[in-house]
Amino acid sequence: KQEVTQIPAALSVPEGENLVLNCSFTDSAIYNLQWFRQDPGKGLTSLLLIQSSQREQTSGRLNASLDKSSGRSTLYIAASQPGDSATYLCAAPSGGSYIPTFGRGTSLIVHP
Amino acid sequence: DTGVSQNPRHKITKRGQNVTFRCDPISEHNRLYWYRQTLGQGPEFLTYFQNEAQLEKSRLLSDRFSAERPKGSFSTLEIQRTEQGDSAMYLCASSSLGRSHNEQFFGPGTRLTVL
Repeated sequence: KQEVTQIPAALSVPEGENLVLNCSFTDSAIYNLQWFRQDPGKGLTSLLLIQSSQREQTSGRLNASLDKSSGRSTLYIAASQPGDSATYLCAAPSGGSYIPTFGRGTSLIVHP
Repeated sequence: DTGVSQNPRHKITKRGQNVTFRCDPISEHNRLYWYRQTLGQGPEFLTYFQNEAQLEKSRLLSDRFSAERPKGSFSTLEIQRTEQGDSAMYLCASSSLGRSHNEQFFGPGTRLTVL
């Protein structure tokens, strides 16, 4: 059974800082790994998907890396802005499954 | 807008009543998922459809919960005899294999409050 852990649980930083959010998973036989953003009371917005054969994906100021052998993924946010304030979730399926297990998320506050 | 839609967005009901939620996936997606999320937690998987077939159900899905996806299009999630512990955000997502590699896209959710 896949278990996904996200560290830190919460983060508060001043605007402009570069950030690293961590995600670890126990079953490395994953099909893909997906990072999401969730604003309070809203649904999830897909940020990046990394296929199992890839090492990283980039979208704008976001970069996600994947190391299957160590069971880790990181989400790097460059030059953080107050609009980045949200909860960031990672999700990875168990081996042989397409159904992801989610972490509890990292709650990010970027203050001006 | 061709994203995932869910209705209603909010539902308040009394304990013991039945409720039904609807999810309309992205039109070309053949996979549809239901999740439940409570405060401070990540979404928890409830059930999954590929086209009209319900392929997997979580142990979280008690016999008071039932889901359907007639004709492989929209899906409904019904909760019978609601309990206060059913209060949560119910999320729907859709995906397809192929070029999108099963990337999941979520709807806005239905917030259920059981009084």
